[in-house]
Parts: sequence; C-alpha cells; structure tokens
Amino acid sequence: QLQLQESGPGLVKPSETLSLTCIVSGGSVSSKNYYWGWIRQSPGKGLEWIGSTAYGGSVYYNPSLKSRVTISVDTSKNQFSLRLSSVTAADTAVYYCVPRRGECSGGTCHWYFEIWGRGTLVTVSS
Amino acid sequence: DIQMTQSPSSLSASVGDRVTITCRASQDIRNYLAWFQQKPGKAPKTLIYAASTLQSGVPSKFSGSGSGTDFTLTISSLQPEDFATYYCQHYRDYPITFGQGTRLEI
Repeated sequence: QLQLQESGPGLVKPSETLSLTCIVSGGSVSSKNYYWGWIRQSPGKGLEWIGSTAYGGSVYYNPSLKSRVTISVDTSKNQFSLRLSSVTAADTAVYYCVPRRGECSGGTCHWYFEIWGRGTLVTVSS
Repeated sequence: DIQMTQSPSSLSASVGDRVTITCRASQDIRNYLAWFQQKPGKAPKTLIYAASTLQSGVPSKFSGSGSGTDFTLTISSLQPEDFATYYCQHYRDYPITFGQGTRLEI
C-alpha cells in the first residue's frame, strides 16, 4: 500500500514559485503502473486536477495551468514534485499529491486516483 | 473540457436511509468515472472507479452504476460516518475534471 507525504512551504509570495514534494513509501516512483500527480482544492471550493506524469514517460497538465506548471519525478529520492510559477492569491489552496494507478483488462485501462496524500495548505500572500 | 454536473448539490437524510447521487457528463465518457468521499478537513477518499468497481477496503454499502453520460452513486443503510461531501470525476481524457460535489447532511 502506497503512503504519501507532501512537504513544502505553507506561505509563498505573489509572483514567486510554489514548490511541493511528495515522498512515496510502499512503492517505487519508477513503477510503470502509476502516474504521479497533483490536485488542488481552494478554500471552500471544488477539486481541480493540476497534472500527472509517468516516470520516463508522458506528462499531462491542465490547460488552465500548463504555462506555469512542472511536475517531475526523482527516482533517487523516491519522490515527485510540483512547481507552479508566478503564483497569485488565486493559487491559494490545499495541494494533494495523488497517484493514478492503472488497472488494465481486455485492452482497456482505467487510470484512477488510487490514494490521496493528506494535503498541504499553501497560502499566497505578501 | 468535459463538464461534470452532480445533483443534488445537497441532500438531507437520516441514519438508516438509502440515498442516490447523480452525476452527468457533458459528453460520452464510457465508464471512465470515479467517486470520492470527503469529510471536513480531510483528504478525499476514493470509493469507486470504472463507474462501478469498489476500491479495495470500501464497504459494499457503496455502489456505482452507469455508462456514457449518466451515473449514480448509491449509499445504503446510512451511518453517521457516511455524512460527507461526495464528488464524481471523469478520466476519459484530459483535462480530468470533477463534479461540484454533493453534500450529504443529517
């Protein structure tokens, strides 16, 4: 069973870059059975998918954030990271690291969000 | 983008009741749909994927159905711990999007 732990600053200044890391235990970030990604939730609002990446493979970002987002995998530390540049107050949210697991049968694969990190609140403020 | 619309937005029920939440996609998503439960101050928890497959460890009181554009989540024999907000989410293509949530209240 995967376990996840987000880490990173809880306060970021406007126009700066938000950086978060998700440490993975109970599994390997080099596994081909997972995409590694992030979802955020603004206070009192709904859920917004940020993006997902596979080790050594494809990366997918939400078009609404694509110009500012980078998600990367670090196999040496068994972790993956989120960078969001040029932040504004609208980026204030709880950020969750959420792997997508692939379940394939009969040529069809379901890449679903298997487990969620506990989440970390990032506030954008000067 | 595919839009996901849940109904109702909020729902009042009593312990022991059976409730159904509906999720509609703006276009055909086959069965690429998941359901989540979120309690206040906690991370969401995955209940169902592939529209009807129960995630490991999720009790059988939760069930999902549907295909194409219309889906339902049914919770039987409500217990106090089931009162939470429920979200649907599609993963048919990118971007992945969520419904706005259904708040289940006592």
